[in-house]
Formats: sequence, C-alpha cells, structure tokens
Amino acid sequence: EVVMTQSPATLSVSPGERAILSCRASHSVSYNLAWYQQKPGQAPRLLIYGASTRATGVPARFSGSGSATEFTLTISSLQSEDFAIYYCQQYNNWPPITFGQGTRLEIK
Amino acid sequence: EVQLVESGGGLIQPGGSLRLSCAASGFTVTSNWMSWVRQAPGKGLEWVSLIYSGDRTFYADSVKGRFTISRDSSENTLYLEMNSLRAEDTAVYYCARYDFSNTFDYWGQGTQVTVFS
Repeated sequence: EVVMTQSPATLSVSPGERAILSCRASHSVSYNLAWYQQKPGQAPRLLIYGASTRATGVPARFSGSGSATEFTLTISSLQSEDFAIYYCQQYNNWPPITFGQGTRLEIK
Repeated sequence: EVQLVESGGGLIQPGGSLRLSCAASGFTVTSNWMSWVRQAPGKGLEWVSLIYSGDRTFYADSVKGRFTISRDSSENTLYLEMNSLRAEDTAVYYCARYDFSNTFDYWGQGTQVTVFS
C-alpha cells in the first residue's frame, strides 16, 4: 500500500498571500497524483489530476507540481473561498486507492 | 447535469446491516467506474470500494468480506450492502464517479452511517 503523507497538518496564511501544500508518497507514484478541496459540510471537489492538470472550472491560481514521491499544491493569492481542507490521492498503485490525511488551510 | 444522490444511512447497532443507495443522473452508472469513499467524524477520506468493467470489484481490507458494491442499470443506481457493521464503520459515506483520469470527478453529498451500542 502506498502511504500518502501531507504537510503541514495546518497552514495559516493571510488572504492575498501564497500557500504551498506538500504531499509525499511512500513509493513512487509517477505523475498519478490528484488534489481535492473539501469545505465544511461539503463533498470533496477535484482540483488537480496527473499531478499538474487542473480539473474543469478550477481557477488558474491553483497549480500542482512534482513527480515520483514529492508533490506540491500551490495556491497563489489566496481568496476567502480557498480556506478549506486539501487532500492528495494517488492512483498509481491500487487497490487500495489512498489519500493523504489532509492539510487544513486557515486564515491567518 | 451530473448528479449523485445518496440515501440509506442511519443509526444501527454493531453487527447490523444497512444498504446504501446512490442514484445517478446525467450519466450511466453501468458505463462508468464507480466508488464509495467514507469519512469518519473529524477524519480524512478513506476509499472503501470500487466497481468497474464487467462488474468486477475491489474493496479496502477494512471492509472486505463485509461490504458488497453493486449497481443496477434500470435504476441507474449504485449500492453498498454493509453487513457485520462495527463502530469503526461510523462515517459519512460518499459515492463518487471514478473517471478516465483515475480520479473522483463527481461526488454525492454523502449519507451518514452511525454504528452505536
């Protein structure tokens, strides 16, 4: 099983600033990595797949990078609606499909 | 418009059974890979099960032998039959479409399952 580890657990950033979230895989997952955003009381929303491809309708301020075991989600110029929990998910070696434990992005 | 609507959750005692349903619209359940993902209170996302071509299935080890995923073309609905429920199965259960990019592109709103003694 590929274990996904996200850091930090909580990130405090001011609106308008940049946020950088990290995700590490226990084994190489190539570029088979996705990012999701989840707001309280809502289902997750797909943001990024293939490590760097934005899903339909996702604003350009969201960008993904990385490969193998190290991945980053960058949100440039944070908007109020971006404060949420973010999860990474690998789909290179499955089953099982595995998620990271999440990073909570909060307003500083 | 693609929509997924779960139902069937509730309060159940340990050892009991529940069947969750996920009614789909805007696409055909039997022509797509479909999955269940759950989220325990205050916790992260945990993949539970997936059904794909030819109705072949995969399960997380934590539910293997107790849960069964299935789908019905006439109802355009995905199901999760849950037996021998445990306290640790308490979670919000989401159905999701697993698309060509091997990611969950559409999600339902979730249904709460609470196993209590």
